[in-house]
Amino acid sequence: AQSVTQPDIHITVSEGASLELRCNYSYGATPYLFWYVQSPGQGLQLLLKYFSGDTLVQGIKGFEAEFKRSQSSFNLRKPSVHWSDAAEYFCAVSTSGTYKYIFGTGTRLKVLA
Amino acid sequence: DGGITQSPKYLFRKEGQNVTLSCEQNLNHDAMYWYRQDPGQGLRLIYYSQIVNDFQKGDIAEGYSVSREKKESFPLTVTSAQKNPTAFYLCASNGDSYSNQPQHFGDGTRLSIL
Repeated sequence: AQSVTQPDIHITVSEGASLELRCNYSYGATPYLFWYVQSPGQGLQLLLKYFSGDTLVQGIKGFEAEFKRSQSSFNLRKPSVHWSDAAEYFCAVSTSGTYKYIFGTGTRLKVLA
Repeated sequence: DGGITQSPKYLFRKEGQNVTLSCEQNLNHDAMYWYRQDPGQGLRLIYYSQIVNDFQKGDIAEGYSVSREKKESFPLTVTSAQKNPTAFYLCASNGDSYSNQPQHFGDGTRLSIL
């Protein structure tokens, strides 16, 4: 079955530290991959997307993600976290020719001052 | 600015009552979606619509109904048959259902039981 796994439910980092949020997917076809961020009581905002080409993609707010087909992963990274990055982060997967997006269960990020 | 507007932000339902959540978009998108979000469960698809006057059930459609009479609007009704309606509801849209464009989201409606 198609699935998206975000193994870390909660992550806490200090402000200025680096961040990596993990995302693993199980999909038969070539995946289209997305990372979204959600602040409390708000909708989801797109951070970045991967469709094809360069496996390292840059997004908004200084985030980047790397697609590794051999590991079925699409991990989100940021070199230096800011207090305003505290939020919940969702990985999502789709595949060509389908309406369906599968979302992970999210990783809640806490940033220590 | 183009976007998706959901209203109300908070909604309370009494036993046996149907309630309707509004979703309006001015992005000129053909496809619209309704998701339910519960803590620790990510987003689950309730209904989606690819075009006006057409919609399909998602993974958890029981107890919900929708309509798509206008391109801009995709209201969701939570019926009395939905026994556990307390959740955060998100509306989304994208250009079309099959081009894998990123979905744009509204700010959600939180539904609670009185």
